[in-house]
Amino acid sequence: EVQLLESGGGLVQPGGSLRLSCAASGFIFSNYAMSWVRQAPGKGLEWVSAISGTGRNAYYTDSVKGRFTFSRDNSKNTLYLQMNSLRVEDTALYYCAKIQRGLGSFDSWGQGTLVTVSS
Amino acid sequence: EIVLTQSPGTLSLSPGERATLSCRASQSVSSSYLAWYQQKPGQVPRLLIYGASSRATGIPDRFSGSGSGTDFTLRISRLEPEDFAMYYCQHYGSSPPVYTFGQGTKLEIK
Repeated sequence: EVQLLESGGGLVQPGGSLRLSCAASGFIFSNYAMSWVRQAPGKGLEWVSAISGTGRNAYYTDSVKGRFTFSRDNSKNTLYLQMNSLRVEDTALYYCAKIQRGLGSFDSWGQGTLVTVSS
Repeated sequence: EIVLTQSPGTLSLSPGERATLSCRASQSVSSSYLAWYQQKPGQVPRLLIYGASSRATGIPDRFSGSGSGTDFTLRISRLEPEDFAMYYCQHYGSSPPVYTFGQGTKLEIK
């Protein structure tokens, strides 16, 4: 059974930083691209970033480019999202999600970790 | 940049009725990369349909997807009480990879 467990969320002031983690199990981690998807309170789903199975390539939505860095440690089956220069509009529940190979859909999701950016 | 527009914003139906949800893309997209998700309040999104028409593991056959080009549809043949939720469509575009969600359709009990 695929399990994804996010951690690292919390309250941070505008301009601050946080690092999210996502521990994965139940599948061959390095074989799959992974992603972060966020959901602001009462709003819809927004893709944030994706990373290839090797970790060599990462991609970002425009609003986080230059501020967020997505990485992975395949020896630890863990993803990391380093978030710098946080803005109030980054406040959301952040999900990590497994990407279906070759299809670009998200077939497994974690429970999410809440990031609140506020002064 | 592809924009996905879902309609209606809210759909009010009764259990047992048939639901038809629409997802329209701003330009033609590959149906291979069109997915649908269900999200209940306080819960994690769940993949329902991928490749426009393939049901994900464990999804009942009352859920079906169809469409091509710019117009895609999610149908629920006979609504069960547990089907009342938010539904999102999503597209994957390559070169470079970009993932786009529609704004969602709320399916509520009439």
